[in-house]
Amino acid sequence: DAGVIQSPRHEVTEMGQEVTLRCKPISGHNSLFWYRQTMMRGLELLIYFNNNVPIDDSGMPEDRFSAKMPNASFSTLKIQPSEPRDSAVYFCASNGQLNTEAFFGQGTRLTVV
Amino acid sequence: DQQVKQNSPSLSVQEGRISILNCDYTNSMFDYFLWYKKYPAEGPTFLISISSIKDKNEDGRFTVFLNKSAKHLSLHIVPSQPGDSAVYFCAASSLRGASKLTFGTGTRLQVTL
Repeated sequence: DAGVIQSPRHEVTEMGQEVTLRCKPISGHNSLFWYRQTMMRGLELLIYFNNNVPIDDSGMPEDRFSAKMPNASFSTLKIQPSEPRDSAVYFCASNGQLNTEAFFGQGTRLTVV
Repeated sequence: DQQVKQNSPSLSVQEGRISILNCDYTNSMFDYFLWYKKYPAEGPTFLISISSIKDKNEDGRFTVFLNKSAKHLSLHIVPSQPGDSAVYFCAASSLRGASKLTFGTGTRLQVTL
């Protein structure tokens, strides 16, 4: 398996623009997580899905952030409108029913200027 | 509110010596703990875990110790190697929480020659 695949790897956008981050989890995994890494707060859980259903979105910073998982093999995290303080590395991770360690993608480094 | 805390942002150790990375947690519902290692421009990778029914788990050069009464865990790396230089994240979950992981802010380990 190729592991968790995220795209793009890098994104530079202007303040106010819409940004969409994409994730393909490991095949067969039924939980998917979106994390944001910053220096101050480390890895923060934004939202997680189980069987394509959002279970906990309490980490989503504000209404500008939204996430979807239309099927078991694809998820998006959208920021609209983006702001400079959204600049961070965003990670997607997945795990299966029987294990509790999550497998991470390589991340998307977002820079909002 | 940081439920998982890594109070040392960085640590420098000589090659061959022991590296000890520490982690504290506040949520008594946590019953499964993990350590992840992260290299620059890569996603975190799972290293070792421990269940709350144990107080020690060993895997090669890596040992994790859990002190439930103190809500403290530590990762020991013996002997330390230059390739161990990375950021180490402590994470915790409640097995009733559908594998949701709460991460600390990370400790950057530098193993010097």
